[in-house]
Amino acid sequence: EVQLVESGGGLVKPGGSLRLSCVGSGFTFSDYGMNWVRQAPGKGLEWVSSISSSGGFRYVADSVKGRFTISRDNAKNSLYLEMSSLRAEDTAVYYCARDADRGSYWDFDYWGQGTLVTVSS
Amino acid sequence: DIQMTQSPSSLSASVGDRVTITCQASQDITKYLNWYQQKPGKGPRLLIYEASNLETGVPSRFSGSGSGTDFTFTISSLQPEDFATYYCLQYEDLPPTFGGGTKVDIK
Repeated sequence: EVQLVESGGGLVKPGGSLRLSCVGSGFTFSDYGMNWVRQAPGKGLEWVSSISSSGGFRYVADSVKGRFTISRDNAKNSLYLEMSSLRAEDTAVYYCARDADRGSYWDFDYWGQGTLVTVSS
Repeated sequence: DIQMTQSPSSLSASVGDRVTITCQASQDITKYLNWYQQKPGKGPRLLIYEASNLETGVPSRFSGSGSGTDFTFTISSLQPEDFATYYCLQYEDLPPTFGGGTKVDIK
């Protein structure tokens, strides 16, 4: 069974930093592109960042460019999101999502349960 | 960026009803559209991929159609467990973008 488990969320002050993690199991992690998608409280879904299976290609939304960095450690079956210069508008539940093995990027098939990041003084 | 216009934003329906949700893309996305179901406190669940393909394990009352810019998602006979919020996603181009969501609740 495919499982994605996020962690690392919490309360952080504006301008602060946080590192999110996502551990994958039930599949060969190193074979799949991975992604972060967020959802502000009571709002819709917003793509944040993607990384290819090897880590060689990375994409990031304009809204977080220069502040968020995606990375992965295939030996640890783990995906990361380093967040800095956090703003109130970054407050959201952050989900990790796997790319389906159908030859397309951003074709998200499995999602985690999410981790809440709250940016507030 | 490709804009996804999803409608309606909410609807009330009864068990057994047929429910239809639409997504319109601001430009041609061929077949690269997925439909997801999300329940409170949970991550989204993939129901339909490439506009019309049923994900493994998803009940056959869910279906999708369309190509280009206009897409439709249908629940043929609404069940109690189907009350949730539904989202479309286009992945034809970067950035991938979601529709605004449709909340389906009990009439």
